[in-house]
Amino acid sequence: KAGVTQTPRYLIKTRGQQVTLSCSPISGHRSVSWYQQTPGQGLQFLFEYFSETQRNKGNFPGRFSGRQFSNSRSEMNVSTLELGDSALYLCASSRGGEKETQYFGPGTRLLVL
Amino acid sequence: GESVGLHLPTLSVQEGDNSIINCAYSNSASDYFIWYKQESGKGPQFIIDIRSNMDKRQGQRVTVLLNKTVKHLSLQIAATQPGDSAVYFCASGRQLTFGSGTQLTVLP
Repeated sequence: KAGVTQTPRYLIKTRGQQVTLSCSPISGHRSVSWYQQTPGQGLQFLFEYFSETQRNKGNFPGRFSGRQFSNSRSEMNVSTLELGDSALYLCASSRGGEKETQYFGPGTRLLVL
Repeated sequence: GESVGLHLPTLSVQEGDNSIINCAYSNSASDYFIWYKQESGKGPQFIIDIRSNMDKRQGQRVTVLLNKTVKHLSLQIAATQPGDSAVYFCASGRQLTFGSGTQLTVLP
């Protein structure tokens, strides 16, 4: 079974631009969660989508948004990029139950100049 | 809010020795914990999980121990190998709260 895939793997943007990241979950998984990883803050939860609905949301500004499609694929968008948005963005998929293991993709490394 | 932390940011062990990585959590209601391994340039990889109705669970060369009384869990890696060198995270909950990670370095 194929794992979680994320595209693109690397991205360079400039301040003020916007970016869209994509995540394809493991087949059969209906939940997709997004995380931001930085050296200073570690891994932080952004939001979770389940059956095309945002189910949980972390403490990030509204510039960070996401959506999920009927095939469970998810996209994350960051508008008006700031230098501090440079990070590794990880998505994780699971079946969606309370104690289901989340499996991570390789991440998209975003550099904002 | 809930916090999950790791005791040591770095740990060095000799190849072939056993490794023990510790983690503490604050929310006594936490009932599901996962250990992940993250190698450089990759996403976190699931190692093993444990539910709060257990105090020990074993996998291949790994054992997780959960002490709910002191809100502490540990990951034991037997016969540590060079390929075990990575950052190890404990996490809890569905909205995963991660600790800061322990960098395990395996010395030849």
